[in-house]
Amino acid sequence: GESVGLHLPTLSVQEGDNSIINCAYSNSASDYFIWYKQESGKGPQFIIDIRSNMDKRQGQRVTVLLNKTVKHLSLQIAATQPGDSAVYFCAENANDYKLSFGAGTTVTVRA
Amino acid sequence: NAGVTQTPKFQVLKTGQSMTLQCAQDMNHNSMYWYRQDPGMGLRLIYYSASEGTTDKGEVPNGYNVSRLNKREFSLRLESAAPSQTSVYFCASSPPGGYSNQPQHFGDGTRLSIL
Repeated sequence: GESVGLHLPTLSVQEGDNSIINCAYSNSASDYFIWYKQESGKGPQFIIDIRSNMDKRQGQRVTVLLNKTVKHLSLQIAATQPGDSAVYFCAENANDYKLSFGAGTTVTVRA
Repeated sequence: NAGVTQTPKFQVLKTGQSMTLQCAQDMNHNSMYWYRQDPGMGLRLIYYSASEGTTDKGEVPNGYNVSRLNKREFSLRLESAAPSQTSVYFCASSPPGGYSNQPQHFGDGTRLSIL
């Protein structure tokens, strides 16, 4: 079975609010984690990554938090915009060349 | 900036037909990958090529073959298509270091239906 999963399959958020997307993983040996965004009809687009020697990393409007104690990963999107509506996937490096993906969370931004 | 280019974008096959999905990247990446994506599921790795001249099985390789033609191109072949292979297929590439250090870059997919 998959070692990566998302807590909620859908998330509805008001435009301008912050979004938090959660992900749980089960392989304590994983050392690299990635968040992807997938819009309808497109391939996954890299958002941000984090290595296991870090617990937080920030990008433009996005922050990834890693809690290795409880094997939890989250993606925070600040001031959510309509263009943020998409499916978000977390992925982990379980071992070289075998990246495991979660099933995805669909984010819908309400105007 | 083309990135990862997949052809065709859509295809309909009959059961038993053969088909080759093409993928090319212009980022000088060493590693390339083929995934399939089914409704409600994450991407599952079919085959990968760590570097030119090498290929290895992923999570769901049965019914598929691959060819790493050169550093730029990595093709996926269905020798005898089955309805269970109806899916969206994504090709990806990454710089040296494999998964452990670098993110993968994806194409926009091939939507394949097998009747």
